[in-house]
Amino acid sequence: DQQVKQNSPSLSVQEGRISILNCDYTNSMFDYFLWYKKYPAEGPTFLISISSIKDKNEDGRFTVFLNKSAKHLSLHIVPSQPGDSAVYFCAASAWGPDTDKLIFGTGTRLQVFP
Amino acid sequence: DGGITQSPKYLFRKEGQNVTLSCEQNLNHDAMYWYRQDPGQGLRLIYYSQIVNDFQKGDIAEGYSVSREKKESFPLTVTSAQKNPTAFYLCASSLRSPGQGGIAFFGQGTRLTVV
Repeated sequence: DQQVKQNSPSLSVQEGRISILNCDYTNSMFDYFLWYKKYPAEGPTFLISISSIKDKNEDGRFTVFLNKSAKHLSLHIVPSQPGDSAVYFCAASAWGPDTDKLIFGTGTRLQVFP
Repeated sequence: DGGITQSPKYLFRKEGQNVTLSCEQNLNHDAMYWYRQDPGQGLRLIYYSQIVNDFQKGDIAEGYSVSREKKESFPLTVTSAQKNPTAFYLCASSLRSPGQGGIAFFGQGTRLTVV
């Protein structure tokens, strides 16, 4: 059972435009969400996170939006750059000292073309 | 430089042989994790450890074993019991658990190919 879903396996965006990557989750206990970026044959790198007490978190060109009622989050990249071309994973966890797992989605491959 | 080191980057083994993947971190993180990545399946948790000499099974632990004798080291053994061992293996560490807002930092991965 996939608790974190990224239903779009790929996305193609023109340089300078906005990239919107989506993520849905099914577990209502999830309270903490992260986005990672991954290049081929490398480990993922952390991009941005958000906890459920917020509905938006911004860091430079990256903004994550959280809609708890819809169990949906999205990552916006503005403006998109060719170097943003990578696979993006969303991950989720439940708050609490005994929750040790990060559950990952299947990833969305973003391609930014000139 | 602080970071997580996985070695080797590429590893080839014959079917039926056990193989151990190395993961070392000098970030002074308490928590360490092993994930496996397969095409179209994202990252799946194999084992994790919150403290030295203690570790827990993740979602796909069958056919794998780990040890955590030192804070900085968390080696993963892929045994002959693992049905489909060919994959990209990722080690990660975090200062706090994800449930406490911890951020997992990943190594560069080891590509294991079993022939």
